[in-house]
Amino acid sequence: QQPVQSPQAVILREGEDAVINCSSSKALYSVHWYRQKHGEAPVFLMILLKGGEQKGHEKISASFNEKKQQSSLYLTASQLSYSGTYFCGTGATNENNRLAFGKGNQVVVIP
Amino acid sequence: GAVVSQHPSWVICKSGTSVKIECRSLDFQATTMFWYRQFPKQSLMLMATSNEGSKATYEQGVEKDKFLINHASLTLSTLTVTSAHPEDSSFYICSARSGTFYEQYFGPGTRLTVT
Repeated sequence: QQPVQSPQAVILREGEDAVINCSSSKALYSVHWYRQKHGEAPVFLMILLKGGEQKGHEKISASFNEKKQQSSLYLTASQLSYSGTYFCGTGATNENNRLAFGKGNQVVVIP
Repeated sequence: GAVVSQHPSWVICKSGTSVKIECRSLDFQATTMFWYRQFPKQSLMLMATSNEGSKATYEQGVEKDKFLINHASLTLSTLTVTSAHPEDSSFYICSARSGTFYEQYFGPGTRLTVT
């Protein structure tokens, strides 16, 4: 079942922060975050596993609340390169890692 | 590390012909590969999951006889679109994972246009 991502779109100025969310109606084992730029394939950002993980890489971090079946991605001090569509993929089991992707959060960072 | 390639990057074919798309994991052994389809400004729709040496598992609504998937080795999976029609035009993306990590790494995608 497809997770729900919100907000649909975010416009922010360089240096500002933003939070985008991914919610599922099913129990989750993993949440995967990807960023896709126009005409390109999705690029892996990070994966969070069951157990309430939080992770970060440079100024992008994420949390996974398995009880609420949701994950949030935090963009801190955004850079122009952060622009793109962010997809979350949710996995219900630890086998095969078959993912269901949400419709994406479009992020536009302007100077 | 974790590089996945796809070939070709784009293909234009005539209605009724078949097209083969290759997906390769370049620096790891992909025990599982996934094929997705993406329409403009839409999400990634999983078509099928394939494990090396096994038959692919197709998602509901995906025609097995139309989209033939072969995962003959730990580094190569192929998707053949048989008797292509204009409605098959789309962006096809593969992803791969090994047995040692959970994340999937995506190939660069193949844009198929059927005229």
